[in-house]
Amino acid sequence: DSGVTQTPKHLITATGQRVTLRCSPRSGDLSVYWYQQSLDQGLQFLIQYYNGEERAKGNILERFSAQQFPDLHSELNLSSLELGDSALYFCASSVRSGGATDTQYFGPGTRLTVL
Amino acid sequence: AQKVTQAQTEISVVEKEDVTLDCVYETRDTTYYLFWYKQPPSGELVFLIRRNSFDEQNEISGRYSWNFQKSTSSFNFTITASQVVDSAVYFCALSEPVYNQGGKLIFGQGTELSVKP
Repeated sequence: DSGVTQTPKHLITATGQRVTLRCSPRSGDLSVYWYQQSLDQGLQFLIQYYNGEERAKGNILERFSAQQFPDLHSELNLSSLELGDSALYFCASSVRSGGATDTQYFGPGTRLTVL
Repeated sequence: AQKVTQAQTEISVVEKEDVTLDCVYETRDTTYYLFWYKQPPSGELVFLIRRNSFDEQNEISGRYSWNFQKSTSSFNFTITASQVVDSAVYFCALSEPVYNQGGKLIFGQGTELSVKP
């Protein structure tokens, strides 16, 4: 158990809908990262927050947004869902602002299925 | 641009065989970190090792060992005397420095290891 928690574990929804994925980092970690794992794209970095502020952005669609709250938990919002958004979404956390010195510890993931 | 290549998509071995998973990376940075993660059938990503670009010493942890060769930009992972519980997808990853792109990890496509009894 990495200490990173993600809810829900599974999510099934329809095209056009909006969902929110939640992540709680390990105790003491200030950075939260979101990744998407799909069969065709593999593991792709979406976005990073550090102590409430956006720190880095990757291949995140405009329909997706995220935030990190004062208690350091984070939410990833996915809207106008399409079939291609079906994937496993991981949250990870690290102690500092990331980069070369940090190890990212991953949560168990949320499996999103869009029908 | 940074890139990680795991050329072996699938490997199948019989229990107790040794197996090496290959990882080749590309980066223009002089300071970087390399990682290996394991994804068992249950789906979570489990951290195995972190190695910085200035430390080329090989590392051994039980049946696991890692060989980092900067000259060939490779960071290979060997499992000795494999066991059925080693069956998983293994990912190699490269981190970009914090001053450039935050804490982004760039993953290879993964190698699916199947260990048969």
